[in-house]
Amino acid sequence: AQTVTQSQPEMSVQEAETVTLSCTYDTSESDYYLFWYKQPPSRQMILVIRQEAYKQQNATENRFSVNFQKAAKSFSLKISDSQLGDAAMYFCAYSLIQGAQKLVFGQGTRLTINP
Amino acid sequence: DADVTQTPRNRITKTGKRIMLECSQTKGHDRMYWYRQDPGLGLRLIYYSFDVKDINKGEISDGYSVSRQAQAKFSLSLESAIPNQTALYFCATSDLTGSQPQHFGDGTRLSIL
Repeated sequence: AQTVTQSQPEMSVQEAETVTLSCTYDTSESDYYLFWYKQPPSRQMILVIRQEAYKQQNATENRFSVNFQKAAKSFSLKISDSQLGDAAMYFCAYSLIQGAQKLVFGQGTRLTINP
Repeated sequence: DADVTQTPRNRITKTGKRIMLECSQTKGHDRMYWYRQDPGLGLRLIYYSFDVKDINKGEISDGYSVSRQAQAKFSLSLESAIPNQTALYFCATSDLTGSQPQHFGDGTRLSIL
């Protein structure tokens, strides 16, 4: 079975600084997606970024980028120029590209931004 | 209006009661999912459905049942609620191709006393 592990329950960063959230996963499959979701206090689940495993290039979305290391099964999220609005719970998630595409989530990392 | 609507937003009830959480969507998606979120555990899949005749158990289906009344509606029921079912519940949808990420509702916070 696939598993996703986020080993940092909490992280904090100064406003305008850069922070990296870690995620590792375990799978025997070769074709899959990896995601980072943001959950602010409003509790919405907001997609931050998606990476297809067959793409070597790391995905980026404005201030958000990932470091995808397929062999190491690592998928970290870097947030540059942190803003107060980035404060949230962040979840790493995995799904197969084929089939039911059930999402498997990590435990979450709560990110605090210090002004 | 939200694309994926969950009702109620919050609910407090007592042990032993029957509870139904509802999800409706206007995205025209075939696939619908129910997840449960607990602190320190992330989200876990309860049930999922690809159409009204296709219902599948997820990782933690015990104590829950679902009904897919129409393409747009997917309800989750707790036949006899117990306190350890206190959690935040999310409905999500995706299209048949699965080429787009799942789209989540705003969640139902359920507290069972």
